[in-house]
Amino acid sequence: QKEVEQDPGPLSVPEGAIVSLNCTYSNSAFQYFMWYRQYSRKGPELLMYTYSSGNKEDGRFTAQVDKSSKYISLFIRDSQPSDSATYLCAVVPFSGGYQKVTFGIGTKLQVIP
Amino acid sequence: NAGVMQNPRHLVRRRGQEARLRCSPMKGHSHVYWYRQLPEEGLKFMVYLQKENIIDESGMPKERFSAEFPKEGPSILRIQQVVRGDSAAYFCASSPTGQPTNEKLFFGSGTQLSVL
Repeated sequence: QKEVEQDPGPLSVPEGAIVSLNCTYSNSAFQYFMWYRQYSRKGPELLMYTYSSGNKEDGRFTAQVDKSSKYISLFIRDSQPSDSATYLCAVVPFSGGYQKVTFGIGTKLQVIP
Repeated sequence: NAGVMQNPRHLVRRRGQEARLRCSPMKGHSHVYWYRQLPEEGLKFMVYLQKENIIDESGMPKERFSAEFPKEGPSILRIQQVVRGDSAAYFCASSPTGQPTNEKLFFGSGTQLSVL
C-alpha cells in the first residue's frame, strides 16, 4: 500500500467550475499537509500548507484536512485555464525535524476555456 | 533573488557513463533535498543534505548513487554507470532551515536525464 494515494486523473473541467482534488494517507505519523502545483517541465511550487484538521483558505484555493479519516482535499473555486497543471498532495511526518516530504502521484487537471 | 538553479536542464548519457547533476540552492539556504520523478510515478525523496553533511540518504539506491553539498559550490548528485532505469527527472529543493513548520521548500526546474 502506498503511503499517499492520489487519483492521477486526468481531470477535465470547464472554466469557472469548482474543482475537488483528494488524497488519502496511511500513516498517522504524518502531521504536515501540503498541496503543490507542477506545470509541465517545471518543478513543484507550494500552494497550501497546514498542520491541523480543518480548512485553510487562500484566495480561490481551500485546503481541507481530516486527520481522523486521513483524508486531504484541495478545492479550487472559479477555475481558470491557468490552473491547468498537475496537483500533488504531500505529507511530512512530525518526527525528524526536517522536510522529508512524501508526495502523491499527482492529479493532472485541465481547465477548458 | 534567483531561485534554485539546476543544470543541466537536459542530460543524455549512454549506458555505463557517469551523470553529474548540479544544484545551487537559493541564496541563504543551507538545506538541500534531491527528489526523483520517474514516468508514471510520483516524486520520491532521495537525500537530504546540509553543508558538508549528508543527513538522510534513506531514499538513495545503495549502489552507483552519491550526493554531496560542499562548503563552497553547488550540491552534486552523481550517478555512476548509468542504466536505462535511471532515466527520470531529478529535482533539487532548498530551504533556509529545514524545519517543516510553515516553511516552503523551493524546487528547481529539474534535470531530465535520458539514458540511451
